[in-house]
Amino acid sequence: NAGVTQTPKFRVLKTGQSMTLLCAQDMNHEYMYWYRQDPGMGLRLIHYSVGEGTTAKGEVPDGYNVSRLKKQNFLLGLESAAPSQTSVYFCASSYGGSTNEQYFGPGTRLTVT
Amino acid sequence: EDQVTQSPEALRLQEGESSSLNCSYTVSGLRGLFWYRQDPGKGPEFLFTLYSAGEEKEKERLKATLTKKESFLHITAPKPEDSATYLCAVWGGATNKLIFGTGTLLAVQP
Repeated sequence: NAGVTQTPKFRVLKTGQSMTLLCAQDMNHEYMYWYRQDPGMGLRLIHYSVGEGTTAKGEVPDGYNVSRLKKQNFLLGLESAAPSQTSVYFCASSYGGSTNEQYFGPGTRLTVT
Repeated sequence: EDQVTQSPEALRLQEGESSSLNCSYTVSGLRGLFWYRQDPGKGPEFLFTLYSAGEEKEKERLKATLTKKESFLHITAPKPEDSATYLCAVWGGATNKLIFGTGTLLAVQP
């Protein structure tokens, strides 16, 4: 039981390049989330999904897109990377919504130059 | 506006020196308050969920308590391996999402 996994672990992009971050969970969770974590700020929600085929915007969705084609996978895309997107990105999943704890992946450290 | 504030930002303890971390919150209709531990370079690790004022939960040297305005994470006789950043989060009724505080960085020296 691997829990929540993320690939890649590290990535460096140049401004304007695109990339996709992959999140996978093997806990059969319905809900999945993408957060970013920046120094001095709490984790901020980018996008989330409440089930296969669904996505919704979080607190800071601009510049990102997501897809949930399979229940176990949640992809985060950056179409045209900007230096402001330099951050550590965490994926999380949970069985349900508000009263259910979220389980986090190990993170992806992204640097945009 | 739903908000979470953690204090202190950083705390240094000697091994065995008990203390408490604070998480104060303002939220419309608390559905759950969550504590996480985060080690450097890793994702947050779930510790506790508290649902209503007066509730307490314990795990090894950690004990979490909840009132209508704040939660405390009490650390009894800490060890160096308890060193980490401790994050508090609440499910905001107005925003319908998990809102995180900025964390308390705990360092326990042998």
